[in-house]
Amino acid sequence: SQKIEQNSEALNIQEGKTATLTCNYTNYSPAYLQWYRQDPGRGPVFLLLIRENEKEKRKERLKVTFDTTLKQSLFHITASQPADSATYLCASRGTGGFKTIFGAGTRLFVKA
Amino acid sequence: GAGVSQSPSNKVTEKGKDVELRCDPISGHTALYWYRQSLGQGLEFLIYFQGNSAPDKSGLPSDRFSAERTGGSVSTLTIQRTQQEDSAVYLCASSSLAGSLYNEQFFGPGTRLTVL
Repeated sequence: SQKIEQNSEALNIQEGKTATLTCNYTNYSPAYLQWYRQDPGRGPVFLLLIRENEKEKRKERLKVTFDTTLKQSLFHITASQPADSATYLCASRGTGGFKTIFGAGTRLFVKA
Repeated sequence: GAGVSQSPSNKVTEKGKDVELRCDPISGHTALYWYRQSLGQGLEFLIYFQGNSAPDKSGLPSDRFSAERTGGSVSTLTIQRTQQEDSAVYLCASSSLAGSLYNEQFFGPGTRLTVL
């Protein structure tokens, strides 16, 4: 079945460092990948979208890459801040329908 | 303008009862999605609406689950004869289809359902 996998272990980093989160997909070739942020008790909030023909996308301190050979997207937060602490979700539309597939998310903790 | 709203925010019910969860999407958004999120898990797709029709119901876990959308706006997710495994947060999202099927989804705050 079509799957998106993210590292289930929480990522702990020091303020000011770059956080790198991984998203791997299996059994399909998504036309795009989206990244969302989710805070406890809230719905996800869209951050960035990258299409399969784009290698890299940037928005302020965020950078996303898409490697169709490795079947992987990397999400980077540079100069991280405690306010960046949240769960980050990777998502894409599956093939053959309108279903959106989400990864389980990676929890990021940024320490001051 | 207003974002996606959902009601109730919390619902506690007894096993076997029916529940209705409501979603008010962003005005003008033609696409509407329902998801379920269990504790510590990712979002599980349930159903997708385009206008009032549901071209993708592939995520509904059983025939106890149904959803409708009227007037291309408000949507209701109904769970009949609730079971304890139905306990989860139910999230609704809407999206504008203008120009692209890749458009971002705007999520509501969710309804936390607890089945005792």
